[in-house]
Amino acid sequence: LAKTTQPISMDSYEGQEVNITCSHNNIATNDYITWYQQFPSQGPRFIIQGYKTKVTNEVASLFIPADRKSSTLSLPRVSLSDTAVYYCLVGDIATNAGKSTFGDGTTLTVKP
Amino acid sequence: SAVISQKPSRDICQRGTSLTIQCQVDSQVTMMFWYRQQPGQSLTLIATANQGSEATYESGFVIDKFPISRPNLTFSTLTVSNLSPEDSSIYLCSAGGVGSYEQYFGPGTRLTVT
Repeated sequence: LAKTTQPISMDSYEGQEVNITCSHNNIATNDYITWYQQFPSQGPRFIIQGYKTKVTNEVASLFIPADRKSSTLSLPRVSLSDTAVYYCLVGDIATNAGKSTFGDGTTLTVKP
Repeated sequence: SAVISQKPSRDICQRGTSLTIQCQVDSQVTMMFWYRQQPGQSLTLIATANQGSEATYESGFVIDKFPISRPNLTFSTLTVSNLSPEDSSIYLCSAGGVGSYEQYFGPGTRLTVT
């Protein structure tokens, strides 16, 4: 079971790029890396998912090195509304949700 | 994508009683899950709700305490039985499709046990 480690909190300012790294040393061959965003009193919301190298969508980029033991979520030009908890999830959710583990989450605070 | 609703959004229950939480998805999905989230903490998977068969529970969670039903591809219920203050938490339903690594989450049900 892949355990993930993330920084507990990060601060940033509006307009800056934010990079949040997740460590997952025991990632299995079939595991994917998925990031979720959660606002207070809401359920988590999918941001991005990847297996290796780099993935980009309209919201974020995900960088995964060749050894896949870590991943970095990159949020370009953050705004106040990006203040949230960001979770890294590693697992083969499509076939075995029980083997997918949410990390402890990183609380990102964006300041004006 | 899928939109998920949960009922109730919150409840205050007395010790020893039970609460049943409903989860409704606006489209047919293959997989549905139930999570628990303590305030300020991460999500813990309780079980996978299997359509037409018994749910698959994670370590530390048992059917007698958390019975789950899933009568069709769009609906599931979680019952938290014999409530104690330690059950006070947020319970979240999520759904996903086979071959998809994206889960859609409901807004959660905040349970307070007195």
